[in-house]
Amino acid sequence: DAMVIQNPRYQVTQFGKPVTLSCSQTLNHNVMYWYQQKSSQAPKLLFHYYDKDFNNEADTPDNFQSRRPNTSFCFLDIRSPGLGDAAMYLCATSRDQDRAHEQYFGPGTRLTVT
Amino acid sequence: AQKVTQAQTEISVVEKEDVTLDCVYETRDTTYYLFWYKQPPSGELVFLIRRNSFDEQNEISGRYSWNFQKSTSSFNFTITASQVVDSAVYFCALSEEWDSNYQLIWGAGTKLIIKP
Repeated sequence: DAMVIQNPRYQVTQFGKPVTLSCSQTLNHNVMYWYQQKSSQAPKLLFHYYDKDFNNEADTPDNFQSRRPNTSFCFLDIRSPGLGDAAMYLCATSRDQDRAHEQYFGPGTRLTVT
Repeated sequence: AQKVTQAQTEISVVEKEDVTLDCVYETRDTTYYLFWYKQPPSGELVFLIRRNSFDEQNEISGRYSWNFQKSTSSFNFTITASQVVDSAVYFCALSEEWDSNYQLIWGAGTKLIIKP
C-alpha cells in the first residue's frame, strides 16, 4: 500500500544533542510537509518542500532544518533540542501545492527531550 | 482573527448516540476548501473529507455526514450511531488561495469520547 512512513515512532534525545527524524513516502507526491504538534493542540506547519523548493514558515525557529535528498525522503533536523521541542512531529505529503489537495500523514514521531 | 473555530473542546456521548461536531470558518476568498481530519490515540491524522467552496451539497459516507452551509460559514460533521472506535480528536481545516497558497489552517480540534 502506498503510504507515508516515519521513523522512529519514538525518539528520546538529550537537551542540546542534535537529532534527525525521517520520513519517506511511496505516493510519489510532489509536496512534503513537516508539522509540530504539541499536546492538545492543532498541528503547526514548520516547513514544506514543493519538489526541491524549500519553504520555511516565518515563525519556524532556526534550530529546525530540513533536507529532501529525493522525492521519496525528507528529514527533519533539530540542531540543539530544547525542552520546549518535545512534541509529536508529523510528516505529510500532498500531490501538488497549487490546488488544495488533501494531505496524507504519517504516524508521527514522538520526541522526548531529557 | 481565528479563521477556523471548533467551539467544542470535548464531547462525550454513549455509544450508538448521534453526535455533531461544529466547525465555523472565516475567509475572504471566494475559492477555498474545507477538510476534516481524524486523529485517533495512535496519533496519525486521517483524512476524512475535502469540500470546495462551490459545492454545497451535503455528503454522506456510511455513518459520517457533513453539512456545508456557506450562509453561516459552517461545515459541521455528524456521526450517526457512534461507536467506541470513533473516539478521537477531530480537526476541521481551511485552505485558502490568496494568503497561504493552500496551506491548511487548522481548528483547535474537538476531542470525541464514545463511552461503551
